[in-house]
Amino acid sequence: QKEVEQNSGPLSVPEGAIASLNCTYSDRGSQSFFWYRQYSGKSPELIMSIYSNGDKEDGRFTAQLNKASQYVSLLIRDSQPSDSATYLCAPWMDSSYKLIFGSGTRLLVRP
Amino acid sequence: NAGVTQTPKFQVLKTGQSMTLQCAQDMNHNSMYWYRQDPGMGLRLIYYSASEGTTDKGEVPNGYNVSRLNKREFSLRLESAAPSQTSVYFCASNLQMSWGQGLPTGNTIYFGEGSWLTVV
Repeated sequence: QKEVEQNSGPLSVPEGAIASLNCTYSDRGSQSFFWYRQYSGKSPELIMSIYSNGDKEDGRFTAQLNKASQYVSLLIRDSQPSDSATYLCAPWMDSSYKLIFGSGTRLLVRP
Repeated sequence: NAGVTQTPKFQVLKTGQSMTLQCAQDMNHNSMYWYRQDPGMGLRLIYYSASEGTTDKGEVPNGYNVSRLNKREFSLRLESAAPSQTSVYFCASNLQMSWGQGLPTGNTIYFGEGSWLTVV
């Protein structure tokens, strides 16, 4: 079993729609979770972090965490073409002090 | 504020050649990381250094060595390059080593701009 699993996509949504990105992880000890966005040819940039069960909202982004189900998701409201990128889920492995990434979900927002 | 700086940005090597990728951060971070990213894939951890003076293997350490020269610098060496090492390499750093040591936001990892390496 992979430590972090994401649907590779592409996930295609029309402009203005809600994009829903999902991630599951295997390490029950993980306490911190990060979502990174990566444009083609660029380095990853942090867009959201979440540490507690429930929802966390930041502008058009909402991260959702369910530690019991080992599931974390990212919702993007009012999707824009500029949101087209690969979204990487990354739980912090507190037991070994490292960040492990999923393979990413490619999001395409159609104008 | 430069953040995380990697050199070189682009490099072409012949099979069997050696080279070192350099990385430096100016954020006084404790931990540093080397990842590789192959086309259409996520980042895979090669080696990391949780603190100055320590290094540990990640998911894909074979064919690589690292040196944590001081708190600022963490280098990655390919002793005998192979075509399978053609990839984009990212150096990264973060402040905190452990959830218990401080604010969760300290675990945010910051990335360098990447080094594109081709082995022919």
